[in-house]
Parts: sequence; structure tokens; C-alpha cells
Amino acid sequence: AQSVTQPDIHITVSEGASLELRCNYSYGATPYLFWYVQSPGQGLQLLLKYFSGDTLVQGIKGFEAEFKRSQSSFNLRKPSVHWSDAAEYFCAVGPPGQNFVFGPGTRLSVLP
Amino acid sequence: KAGVTQTPRYLIKTRGQQVTLSCSPISGHRSVSWYQQTPGQGLQFLFEYFSETQRNKGNFPGRFSGRQFSNSRSEMNVSTLELGDSALYLCASSLAQHPSTDTQYFGPGTRLTVL
Repeated sequence: AQSVTQPDIHITVSEGASLELRCNYSYGATPYLFWYVQSPGQGLQLLLKYFSGDTLVQGIKGFEAEFKRSQSSFNLRKPSVHWSDAAEYFCAVGPPGQNFVFGPGTRLSVLP
Repeated sequence: KAGVTQTPRYLIKTRGQQVTLSCSPISGHRSVSWYQQTPGQGLQFLFEYFSETQRNKGNFPGRFSGRQFSNSRSEMNVSTLELGDSALYLCASSLAQHPSTDTQYFGPGTRLTVL
């Protein structure tokens, strides 16, 4: 069965610093990969997705992610974090025709 | 275009009661999925509907059920509530027949508290 791991439960960065959130997946073929963000008390918002093609994907709010098949990873990055980026981030895998699986999430705190 | 709406936003019930949650997808979306979010288990898939048919079901007991209407609106029902059912229930809609291959748009969720 497919699974998603996010090794970091909680990350704290200073405003203006760079950010990388890790995501590893387990799936037999090339999966469809997603990053979602959830602000407190809110639903989830899609940041970006990877289906095929260019392994570096650009998303909203200045985020990008890189798919690395050899490492089964889909890490999320941002060059300069803003205080408004504080939220919980979820990586997810969507094997076609199967259940959508989310990772456990990484909580991001931003120091002023 | 209006987003996914969920009603009610907050709900308090007692053990043994039943509850019905409602989800209205984005106009034109025919696929609706439900998720349960808890601090301990994270986000877990409940069900997926497309054109009034349940396409997939997660690993939840039979107390959890759902349906989709011809206008794509969906409801989920939980009978004989248990304390462990306290959670945020999220609904998502998408255009694709298989939401795992498309962007899912999430509603704000219904916060269910079971006392």
C-alpha cells in the first residue's frame, strides 16, 4: 500500500530564512504528488502538484518542490519565509484510482 | 466561483447519538471526497463519490456512511457516536472522475465534538 512520511513534525525558522520540508513516499509506480497547507482552523489549500514532466514544480506563494524518483522524495522549498507561512504542511500521494493518502504533516513556526 | 461549503461548521453531540454533515462542492465538480482529521491519526480518507456512486471507501467502521445527490451535494452520517469520533471532517471536491489524479479543493470542515 502507498504511504507518505514527513520526518519533521515541527520546524522553526526565522522570517527571511530559507525553508525545506521533507516528504518521502512509498508507491510502486510514479505517483501523483501534492503539497497542501492548512492554516489554523481552516481547510487545506493546494500549494503545488506533480504528475509528470519537469521534476521541479512551481506553486503558489513562492513555493516549489522537486520530485526525485531515486530518493522517493518530493521536498517542498521556499527561498525566503514570511510570517504568514506559519501553518501545517501536508504532503500527499494520489495513486490513480486508489485512496488519497496524506502524510502526518509538518508544523512550521516562523520567528520574527 | 464559490468554494466548497460545509454545514454546520461546529457540532456538539453526545455518545450514542447520530450526526449528519453536509458538503456542497464547487459548481461543476462531480467528485466529492470526505476525510477525518484528528491529532492522533492525522488526515484519513473516508469515502469518495462520483456521480452519486461511491467509488472508494476508507478503513472506517460501518457506522460511517455517506451519499451523494444528483446535484453533487454530499452528506455523511455517523451513527452511534463514540468519543473517538470527535474530529474535523473535511470535504473536498474535484472535476476529475478520480480525485487522486486532480486538484482537490477543500472546504473549511465541520468540527464535531462528542461528549
